[in-house]
Amino acid sequence: DVKVTQSSRYLVKRTGEKVFLECVQDMDHENMFWYRQDPGLGLRLIYFSYDVKMKEKGDIPEGYSVSREKKERFSLILESASTNQTSMYLCASSFHGTGGASYTFGSGTRLTVV
Amino acid sequence: KQEVTQIPAALSVPEGENLVLNCSFTDSAIYNLQWFRQDPGKGLTSLLLIQSSQREQTSGRLNASLDKSSGRSTLYIAASQPGDSATYLCAVRPREYGNKLVFGAGTILRVKS
Repeated sequence: DVKVTQSSRYLVKRTGEKVFLECVQDMDHENMFWYRQDPGLGLRLIYFSYDVKMKEKGDIPEGYSVSREKKERFSLILESASTNQTSMYLCASSFHGTGGASYTFGSGTRLTVV
Repeated sequence: KQEVTQIPAALSVPEGENLVLNCSFTDSAIYNLQWFRQDPGKGLTSLLLIQSSQREQTSGRLNASLDKSSGRSTLYIAASQPGDSATYLCAVRPREYGNKLVFGAGTILRVKS
């Protein structure tokens, strides 16, 4: 069964900490994405990557960075966590190119910054 | 800019009813539309993917239709069950943005036993 795996379901971090959220996919997908989901705001794209070492900003990249050293792994980094980054974080992957690629999502990481 | 709207925001029905969830989008230049299910505190599970050239897709009790020219999609759930209770999200992949998805806010469905 193909899947996208997020390393942590729940995380509690302190303000100012550097936080790493990890995502691994086993489908050989070129594209990987990080979204955050907040009540009333829906899903918003933070960053995405279409190849190893390639990244593009999404709609809300401020306060975040990403790393993609291997095709299967996409990391989201909060350089200095703040309380307004408390949220549900969702990783997704898909094949690259035009047309009908389906997106597969991970189970999510609920991050609380105190 | 592509916008996706889902109506209703919430729906409560008795078990066994057939129901329809609606999704509309403002720009018909899309590659595809995808329906997802999300259980509380969990990630998204893909239900159906409709390519821009298709009119509908079916999986079990679920049927999704797409009318690209009018910017509408519906998700039909037959003989609803309490286990169908979840949030249902639709998302389009606009041609303008390449590989990115634009999501609606979702419909929260509760099926009462």
